[in-house]
Amino acid sequence: DQQVKQNSPSLSVQEGRISILNCDYTNSMFDYFLWYKKYPAEGPTFLISISSIKDKNEDGRFTVFLNKSAKHLSLHIVPSQPGDSAVYFCAASDGGSNYKLTFGKGTLLTVNP
Amino acid sequence: AAGVIQSPRHLIKEKRETATLKCYPIPRHDTVYWYQQGPGQDPQFLISFYEKMQSDKGSIPDRFSAQQFSDYHSELNMSSLELGDSALYFCASSSRRLASTIQETQYFGPGTRLLVL
Repeated sequence: DQQVKQNSPSLSVQEGRISILNCDYTNSMFDYFLWYKKYPAEGPTFLISISSIKDKNEDGRFTVFLNKSAKHLSLHIVPSQPGDSAVYFCAASDGGSNYKLTFGKGTLLTVNP
Repeated sequence: AAGVIQSPRHLIKEKRETATLKCYPIPRHDTVYWYQQGPGQDPQFLISFYEKMQSDKGSIPDRFSAQQFSDYHSELNMSSLELGDSALYFCASSSRRLASTIQETQYFGPGTRLLVL
């Protein structure tokens, strides 16, 4: 049972445009959500996070939106750059469950020059 | 800034052999997590430690054990290796002591790629 779902295995955008990566979850106990970026043969790199008490968090070109009623979050990257090309993982944790992360299967983002 | 260190980065073992993976957390981090990522899969939680005590246990086989030492580094011991254990093993660390009640960000190491032949 996949509790965190990233339904788009891949996404391709033009440099300078907006990239929108989506994530859905089923476990209503999740209260903290994170996005990680991963290059091949490297570990996941933390990008941005949001707690369940917020609906938006922004850090430079990256913004994460959380819609709790829909159990949906999205990562917006504006403007997209070729160096953003990587696999993006959505992850969620439940503070009452010792914070272990549950990951989605990832979305491969390709930003074309 | 110092990151999570994992060693070795690559490991090749035969079936039924044992392997030990090491993780050195970010300085002053008190919590360590281990994850396994199979080919084309998402990382799956194995086990975690907080202040040298086991905090949580996930889908870790009985053939595997782990511990966190007084200097906060952690080791994952894998015995009777099987072909299906071939995967990337990630360690992540966090500071639970400094985190808020619901926010605890985990920072990942580069991983150990284990190949069982």
